[in-house]
Amino acid sequence: GAVVSQHPSWVICKSGTSVKIECRSLDFQATTMFWYRQFPKQSLMLMATSNEGSKATYEQGVEKDKFLINHASLTLSTLTVTSAHPEDSSFYICSGSGGYSNQPQHFGDGTRLSIL
Amino acid sequence: AQTVTQSQPEMSVQEAETVTLSCTYDTSESDYYLFWYKQPPSRQMILVIRQEAYKQQNATENRFSVNFQKAAKSFSLKISDSQLGDAAMYFCAYRSANNAGNMLTFGGGTRLMVKP
Repeated sequence: GAVVSQHPSWVICKSGTSVKIECRSLDFQATTMFWYRQFPKQSLMLMATSNEGSKATYEQGVEKDKFLINHASLTLSTLTVTSAHPEDSSFYICSGSGGYSNQPQHFGDGTRLSIL
Repeated sequence: AQTVTQSQPEMSVQEAETVTLSCTYDTSESDYYLFWYKQPPSRQMILVIRQEAYKQQNATENRFSVNFQKAAKSFSLKISDSQLGDAAMYFCAYRSANNAGNMLTFGGGTRLMVKP
Protein backbone atom coordinates (compact mmCIF):
# COMPACT_ATOMS: atom_id res chain seq x y z
CA GLY A 1 0.00 0.00 0.00
CA ALA A 2 0.88 3.65 -0.22
CA VAL A 3 3.50 4.84 2.23
CA VAL A 4 4.19 8.17 3.86
CA SER A 5 7.55 8.46 5.57
CA GLN A 6 7.65 10.92 8.46
CA HIS A 7 10.85 12.07 10.16
CA PRO A 8 11.97 12.45 12.82
CA SER A 9 9.92 10.03 14.90
CA TRP A 10 10.99 11.65 18.16
CA VAL A 11 12.73 14.90 18.88
CA ILE A 12 13.71 16.62 22.10
CA CYS A 13 14.97 20.17 21.97
CA LYS A 14 15.42 23.27 24.04
CA SER A 15 12.84 25.99 24.27
CA GLY A 16 13.31 28.67 21.62
CA THR A 17 14.65 26.44 18.89
CA SER A 18 12.88 25.62 15.63
CA VAL A 19 12.06 22.07 14.66
CA LYS A 20 11.34 20.79 11.18
CA ILE A 21 9.24 17.69 10.54
CA GLU A 22 9.30 16.10 7.09
CA CYS A 23 6.73 13.94 5.39
CA ARG A 24 7.50 12.20 2.13
CA SER A 25 5.11 10.21 0.02
CA LEU A 26 7.18 7.30 -1.23
CA ASP A 27 5.03 5.71 -3.90
CA PHE A 28 2.31 8.17 -4.77
CA GLN A 29 1.94 11.87 -5.48
CA ALA A 30 0.52 13.64 -2.47
CA THR A 31 -1.46 16.46 -4.02
CA THR A 32 -2.77 17.35 -0.59
CA MET A 33 -1.05 16.97 2.76
CA PHE A 34 -2.82 17.25 6.08
CA TRP A 35 -1.08 18.05 9.34
CA TYR A 36 -2.60 16.93 12.63
CA ARG A 37 -1.77 17.41 16.26
CA GLN A 38 -2.72 14.89 18.91
CA PHE A 39 -2.63 15.35 22.67
CA PRO A 40 -2.47 12.30 24.94
CA LYS A 41 -5.68 10.29 25.01
CA GLN A 42 -7.35 12.68 22.57
CA SER A 43 -8.35 12.58 18.96
CA LEU A 44 -6.47 14.04 16.02
CA MET A 45 -6.92 17.75 15.57
CA LEU A 46 -6.43 19.10 12.06
CA MET A 47 -3.96 21.96 12.05
CA ALA A 48 -3.69 22.77 8.37
CA THR A 49 -4.21 21.54 4.85
CA SER A 50 -1.64 22.15 2.15
CA ASN A 51 -1.89 21.64 -1.58
CA GLU A 52 1.26 21.28 -3.64
CA GLY A 53 2.53 24.63 -4.77
CA SER A 54 0.00 26.64 -2.75
CA LYS A 55 -0.10 28.27 0.63
CA ALA A 56 -1.46 26.13 3.42
CA THR A 57 -4.93 26.65 4.81
CA TYR A 58 -4.85 26.79 8.59
CA GLU A 59 -7.63 25.81 10.94
CA GLN A 60 -9.02 28.38 13.30
CA GLY A 61 -6.80 28.93 16.30
CA VAL A 62 -3.63 27.60 14.67
CA GLU A 63 -0.89 30.22 14.43
CA LYS A 64 0.45 30.49 10.90
CA ASP A 65 3.70 32.09 12.02
CA LYS A 66 4.28 29.42 14.64
CA PHE A 67 3.60 26.40 12.42
CA LEU A 68 5.12 26.96 8.99
CA ILE A 69 4.07 24.49 6.34
CA ASN A 70 5.78 24.03 3.01
CA HIS A 71 4.52 21.74 0.27
CA ALA A 72 6.83 22.53 -2.61
CA SER A 73 6.61 19.18 -4.36
CA LEU A 74 4.17 16.33 -4.80
CA THR A 75 6.29 14.10 -2.60
CA LEU A 76 7.45 16.35 0.21
CA SER A 77 5.76 18.50 2.81
CA THR A 78 7.35 20.00 5.89
CA LEU A 79 6.07 21.44 9.14
CA THR A 80 8.38 23.79 11.02
CA VAL A 81 7.56 24.64 14.60
CA THR A 82 9.27 27.99 15.07
CA SER A 83 10.63 29.19 18.40
CA ALA A 84 9.17 26.13 20.08
CA HIS A 85 8.03 26.28 23.70
CA PRO A 86 6.96 23.55 26.14
CA GLU A 87 3.29 24.04 25.26
CA ASP A 88 4.13 23.00 21.69
CA SER A 89 5.09 19.55 22.96
CA SER A 90 2.74 17.10 21.31
CA PHE A 91 2.41 14.32 18.76
CA TYR A 92 2.28 15.56 15.17
CA ILE A 93 1.02 13.39 12.31
CA CYS A 94 0.90 14.06 8.60
CA SER A 95 -1.25 12.35 6.02
CA GLY A 96 -1.17 12.54 2.26
CA SER A 97 -3.92 12.29 -0.28
CA GLY A 98 -3.54 11.65 -4.00
CA GLY A 99 -6.12 14.22 -4.95
CA TYR A 100 -9.12 12.05 -5.74
CA SER A 101 -11.97 11.97 -3.28
CA ASN A 102 -12.24 8.18 -3.46
CA GLN A 103 -8.65 7.70 -2.35
CA PRO A 104 -7.90 7.19 1.34
CA GLN A 105 -5.44 9.31 3.24
CA HIS A 106 -2.11 7.71 4.02
CA PHE A 107 -0.66 8.55 7.40
CA GLY A 108 2.91 8.99 8.48
CA ASP A 109 4.00 7.31 11.70
CA GLY A 110 4.00 10.58 13.61
CA THR A 111 6.56 12.72 15.41
CA ARG A 112 6.74 13.01 19.16
CA LEU A 113 7.98 16.51 19.95
CA SER A 114 9.22 17.32 23.43
CA ILE A 115 10.31 20.86 24.23
CA LEU A 116 12.33 21.31 27.41
CA ALA B 1 -19.93 21.35 9.14
CA GLN B 2 -19.77 17.65 9.73
CA THR B 3 -19.40 16.17 13.19
CA VAL B 4 -18.53 12.66 14.30
CA THR B 5 -19.44 11.33 17.72
CA GLN B 6 -18.16 8.25 19.48
CA SER B 7 -20.17 7.88 22.65
CA GLN B 8 -18.03 5.16 24.24
CA PRO B 9 -14.73 6.51 25.59
CA GLU B 10 -13.71 2.99 26.67
CA MET B 11 -14.83 -0.52 25.92
CA SER B 12 -13.54 -3.89 27.02
CA VAL B 13 -14.01 -7.34 25.55
CA GLN B 14 -12.94 -10.82 26.46
CA GLU B 15 -10.52 -12.45 24.07
CA ALA B 16 -12.36 -14.42 21.35
CA GLU B 17 -15.60 -12.55 22.01
CA THR B 18 -17.33 -9.96 19.85
CA VAL B 19 -17.50 -6.24 20.51
CA THR B 20 -19.27 -3.37 18.77
CA LEU B 21 -18.02 0.20 18.76
CA SER B 22 -20.53 2.95 18.09
CA CYS B 23 -20.23 5.97 15.85
CA THR B 24 -22.76 8.55 14.74
CA TYR B 25 -22.23 11.48 12.44
CA ASP B 26 -24.04 14.55 11.28
CA THR B 27 -23.99 15.77 7.69
CA SER B 28 -26.21 17.34 5.09
CA GLU B 29 -24.32 15.67 2.25
CA SER B 30 -25.51 12.57 0.45
CA ASP B 31 -22.18 11.36 -0.87
CA TYR B 32 -19.34 10.68 1.51
CA TYR B 33 -16.98 8.08 2.92
CA LEU B 34 -16.75 6.66 6.41
CA PHE B 35 -13.70 5.06 7.96
CA TRP B 36 -12.58 3.26 11.04
CA TYR B 37 -8.94 3.75 12.03
CA LYS B 38 -7.01 1.85 14.66
CA GLN B 39 -4.25 3.55 16.66
CA PRO B 40 -2.22 1.09 18.75
CA PRO B 41 0.23 2.25 21.45
CA SER B 42 2.81 2.82 18.70
CA ARG B 43 0.45 5.61 17.56
CA GLN B 44 0.45 4.59 13.91
CA MET B 45 -2.88 5.27 12.23
CA ILE B 46 -4.04 2.04 10.61
CA LEU B 47 -7.04 1.95 8.30
CA VAL B 48 -9.33 -0.84 9.45
CA ILE B 49 -12.30 -0.51 7.13
CA ARG B 50 -13.98 1.94 4.82
CA GLN B 51 -17.56 2.42 3.60
CA GLU B 52 -18.86 4.41 0.67
CA ALA B 53 -22.18 6.05 1.50
CA TYR B 54 -23.71 5.14 -1.86
CA LYS B 55 -23.22 1.45 -1.16
CA GLN B 56 -25.97 -0.26 0.79
CA GLN B 57 -23.90 -3.34 1.47
CA ASN B 58 -21.96 -3.21 4.71
CA ALA B 59 -18.20 -3.38 4.33
CA THR B 60 -16.33 -6.37 5.73
CA GLU B 61 -12.64 -7.01 6.25
CA ASN B 62 -11.92 -10.39 7.80
CA ARG B 63 -12.94 -10.11 11.48
CA PHE B 64 -14.05 -6.50 11.09
CA SER B 65 -17.44 -5.48 9.78
CA VAL B 66 -19.60 -2.40 9.91
CA ASN B 67 -23.28 -1.74 10.36
CA PHE B 68 -23.95 1.30 8.19
CA GLN B 69 -27.34 2.89 8.72
CA LYS B 70 -27.43 5.91 6.41
CA ALA B 71 -30.82 7.21 7.47
CA ALA B 72 -29.86 7.03 11.11
CA LYS B 73 -26.34 8.37 10.35
CA SER B 74 -24.83 5.51 12.27
CA PHE B 75 -21.65 3.60 11.47
CA SER B 76 -20.72 0.98 14.06
CA LEU B 77 -17.73 -1.34 13.94
CA LYS B 78 -18.02 -4.98 14.95
CA ILE B 79 -14.91 -6.91 15.85
CA SER B 80 -15.40 -10.65 15.94
CA ASP B 81 -13.13 -13.17 17.65
CA SER B 82 -11.29 -10.38 19.45
CA GLN B 83 -7.56 -10.78 19.77
CA LEU B 84 -5.08 -9.21 22.18
CA GLY B 85 -3.61 -7.29 19.27
CA ASP B 86 -6.93 -5.54 18.73
CA ALA B 87 -6.36 -3.47 21.87
CA ALA B 88 -5.99 0.10 20.69
CA MET B 89 -7.74 3.43 20.22
CA TYR B 90 -10.33 3.30 17.47
CA PHE B 91 -11.36 6.40 15.59
CA CYS B 92 -14.38 6.79 13.37
CA ALA B 93 -13.90 9.32 10.58
CA TYR B 94 -15.94 11.08 7.90
CA ARG B 95 -14.80 12.41 4.54
CA SER B 96 -16.84 14.28 1.97
CA ALA B 97 -16.89 12.90 -1.55
CA ASN B 98 -17.69 16.24 -3.12
CA ASN B 99 -14.17 17.55 -3.54
CA ALA B 100 -10.86 15.86 -4.02
CA GLY B 101 -8.45 15.93 -1.11
CA ASN B 102 -11.08 16.67 1.50
CA MET B 103 -10.14 16.46 5.12
CA LEU B 104 -11.08 13.71 7.52
CA THR B 105 -13.28 14.61 10.47
CA PHE B 106 -12.52 12.34 13.40
CA GLY B 107 -14.60 11.25 16.34
CA GLY B 108 -13.20 11.48 19.83
CA GLY B 109 -12.09 7.86 19.85
CA THR B 110 -12.86 4.70 21.79
CA ARG B 111 -10.20 2.89 23.77
CA LEU B 112 -10.65 -0.86 23.38
CA MET B 113 -9.19 -3.17 25.98
CA VAL B 114 -9.01 -6.90 25.34
CA LYS B 115 -8.94 -9.18 28.36
CA PRO B 116 -7.08 -12.48 28.09
